[in-house]
Amino acid sequence: EAQVTQNPRYLITVTGKKLTVTCSQNMNHEYMSWYRQDPGLGLRQIYYSMNVEVTDKGDVPEGYKVSRKEKRNFPLILESPSPNQTSLYFCASSPQPLETQYFGPGTRLLVL
Amino acid sequence: QKEVEQNSGPLSVPEGAIASLNCTYSDRGSQSFFWYRQYSGKSPELIMFIYSNGDKEDGRFTAQLNKASQYVSLLIRDSQPSDSATYLCAVNNEGSNYQLIWGAGTKLIIKP
Repeated sequence: EAQVTQNPRYLITVTGKKLTVTCSQNMNHEYMSWYRQDPGLGLRQIYYSMNVEVTDKGDVPEGYKVSRKEKRNFPLILESPSPNQTSLYFCASSPQPLETQYFGPGTRLLVL
Repeated sequence: QKEVEQNSGPLSVPEGAIASLNCTYSDRGSQSFFWYRQYSGKSPELIMFIYSNGDKEDGRFTAQLNKASQYVSLLIRDSQPSDSATYLCAVNNEGSNYQLIWGAGTKLIIKP
């Protein structure tokens, strides 16, 4: 089944404790992206990747890191999480940037 | 700051009626327009996309573009309770070939 998977789905952590949210797609898509979704603000792009080893900042990259060592994986790293990073996070992939994006199930993060 | 605006709703429509959702955008150079549906607690999924060269109909859904007034509409005919969801509009950022600008979404409720 073609899909985007994310783990974990739910995470409660404390300020400053490094965490990684994994994202994997099995559709051989070139483009991958991370978004955060907050009430009233819609989807805001954190980082995106055009291909392996090619990543770039989105609109809200501060406090986040990404890597793209393999085409299928695009992990999101929070080196020192803060409460303002409490949010719902989505990973998405598409064949090319402006084509249909396929979203993962989301990761709900609470930073205390 | 380039923006995509949507009325947050909720928009309440009787079952069987036409639901009309609007999205205004500020980037006059935008050429790709997407409508995604997001059920509560789920991830967004694509309903339709159109390009600046015309409207599009797919089953009960029609997307219409008004370039002069810079808005795009989604019409849902014969609305069903299963259409109750939040509808997200996304528009390409003309200054970037790799990014979309997202609206915050309109919550649609179809009343039986």
